[in-house]
Amino acid sequence: SQQGEEDPQALSIQEGENATMNCSYKTSINNLQWYRQNSGRGLVHLILIRSNEREKHSGRLRVTLDTSKKSSSLLITASRAADTASYFCATHGSSNTGKLIFGQGTTLQVKP
Amino acid sequence: EAGVAQSPRYKIIEKRQSVAFWCNPISGHATLYWYQQILGQGPKLLIQFQNNGVVDDSQLPKDRFSAERLKGVDSTLKIQPAKLEDSAVYLCASSFTIDRLETQYFGPGTRLLVL
Repeated sequence: SQQGEEDPQALSIQEGENATMNCSYKTSINNLQWYRQNSGRGLVHLILIRSNEREKHSGRLRVTLDTSKKSSSLLITASRAADTASYFCATHGSSNTGKLIFGQGTTLQVKP
Repeated sequence: EAGVAQSPRYKIIEKRQSVAFWCNPISGHATLYWYQQILGQGPKLLIQFQNNGVVDDSQLPKDRFSAERLKGVDSTLKIQPAKLEDSAVYLCASSFTIDRLETQYFGPGTRLLVL
């Protein structure tokens, strides 16, 4: 089964609004990563948050991590039409290698 | 810096036929991954190479899938014979090392449709 589960599965907002996506995972982690996938394209790494971090920012992205609840959230502020994509969280599960286990993703549509 | 290259981008075959995908990772990246992404799902790792050695192939259906990275650079993934449920996008990714903190860079993927 997938290590990460995203919520909601789909999200539709207007340009300029904020978008929040949540991810839950099952096992202890070393870090948690978020990726973006535009339609028909490969995945692009957005941000990595380590297990000893609680919050991290990158431009309009804010990621939080709550290891006690085994959950993470990705906030995109002031969304743009170009943010329309699928967003995945990923962890390494119990692996000591680079193998990533992805959730099923949240599909975000930003309407102009 | 050139990204991860994959070919072909699209492939349509009939069940029981064979197919091969090619991946050229970012120069200098020792670790190479093949993921399968079924429509509506997240990618699932099929096989991971460190240079030309296999690190993890626990989820590779070895009765029909095979992969190699002979010289530790390019890699090919083969399916023989293909089944309907193999319809998916096959993503290749690479990273500089095997470390869990390393960013994985993904190619555009090969979209396979098995009829």
